[in-house]
Amino acid sequence: AQSVTQPDIHITVSEGASLELRCNYSYGATPYLFWYVQSPGQGLQLLLKYFSGDTLVQGIKGFEAEFKRSQSTFNLRKPSVHWSDAAEYFCAVGRGSNYKLTFGKGTLLTVNP
Amino acid sequence: DVKVTQSSRYLVKRTGEKVFLECVQDMDHENMFWYRQDPGLGLRLIYFSYDVKMKEKGDIPEGYSVSREKKERFSLILESASTNQTSMYLCASSSHDRLIPYEQYFGPGTRLTVT
Repeated sequence: AQSVTQPDIHITVSEGASLELRCNYSYGATPYLFWYVQSPGQGLQLLLKYFSGDTLVQGIKGFEAEFKRSQSTFNLRKPSVHWSDAAEYFCAVGRGSNYKLTFGKGTLLTVNP
Repeated sequence: DVKVTQSSRYLVKRTGEKVFLECVQDMDHENMFWYRQDPGLGLRLIYFSYDVKMKEKGDIPEGYSVSREKKERFSLILESASTNQTSMYLCASSSHDRLIPYEQYFGPGTRLTVT
């Protein structure tokens, strides 16, 4: 069965520092992978997605993610974090042929001034 | 711009009450989902609908039911609310379009408190 692990529950970075959020997935075939962001009290917003092709995908708000099949990872990166990036981030993988997503438990990002 | 709306942002109900959470999407999507979100547990799928009047149980359906009489509307029903159903409820929708499989759009959420 598909699964997603986000090893870091909470990460704190300083504004202007680089960021990498980790995502490990388990899936037999080529996965459909997503990163979502949730600001406090809000719903989830799609940051970026990987279906096929170039393994480095660009998303909104200056984020990018790299798909590494050999390591079963889809890590999210940003070169310089802004205070407005403070939020919870969820990695997700598509489940089979029935349109569902399996979500990781999320990583909470705190940004220090 | 795509839009998923939920009827209430905050809701307070008493134990034993029947509770209706409404979700409407304007994207003509075939699929609609109800999740609950709890700290440390992430998002857990309650129910899923892939067409009008069609539904499928998710990972945690106990204590919940759903209704989908129109394509744009998906309702979550708590027949007899209990305190352990206090949570954030998120609705999402997605298309059957094979070019964008699994891509879900979320509503703002309803924070339900059962006292």
